[in-house]
Amino acid sequence: GAVVSQHPSWVICKSGTSVKIECRSLDFQATTMFWYRQFPKQSLMLMATSNEGSKATYEQGVEKDKFLINHASLTLSTLTVTSAHPEDSSFYICSVQRGAGETQYFGPGTRLLVL
Amino acid sequence: AQSVSQHNHHVILSEAASLELGCNYSYGGTVNLFWYVQYPGQHLQLLLKYFSGDPLVKGIKGFEAEFIKSKFSFNLRKPSVQWSDTAEYFCAVRPGNTPLVFGKGTRLSVIA
Repeated sequence: GAVVSQHPSWVICKSGTSVKIECRSLDFQATTMFWYRQFPKQSLMLMATSNEGSKATYEQGVEKDKFLINHASLTLSTLTVTSAHPEDSSFYICSVQRGAGETQYFGPGTRLLVL
Repeated sequence: AQSVSQHNHHVILSEAASLELGCNYSYGGTVNLFWYVQYPGQHLQLLLKYFSGDPLVKGIKGFEAEFIKSKFSFNLRKPSVQWSDTAEYFCAVRPGNTPLVFGKGTRLSVIA
């Protein structure tokens, strides 16, 4: 199976700062990467879908200027939470997919705490 | 609205008991179906998936799931649970070529 890494695994930051989270597909080139958000004891909510070399597609209600996604290569996607606030504290999980219709594999997640 | 429903929020079983976790979806047309597991402190792992063919799917660790198209269901089963099966279980559906949509999850607690 695929191995997906995320860095950092957890981060604590002050309100107003920006935080960058990296997601790497280690086993294959991922044409599509997804970013999810998981609140405590709740399900994963899709934030955005990105394809390498093109702009990300954001789900309804997700601010694209606040959650910047850069799919720099077929193995790397970054999510930047800009001007983070306490309500952005959550567990952010990336997922990779080799090609359309194939299985999604998930990263270990990044826990963000904004003070 | 289109959705994925997991009816049980929290299931508590004794070791060796049989398990069935319900999952229903409301999408029409072709769907791919998945069950993921999240052990405490770990990331999501794929248990099994259904794309086509035999509606009874065997997964890892003795889990299986049955796709019943007429009931829009994809229930997860295991004949005899172990303490190590304690985890959160997520049903996910992919309508067509769209991203996965997850159910709210079912927490399974297995007591010795």
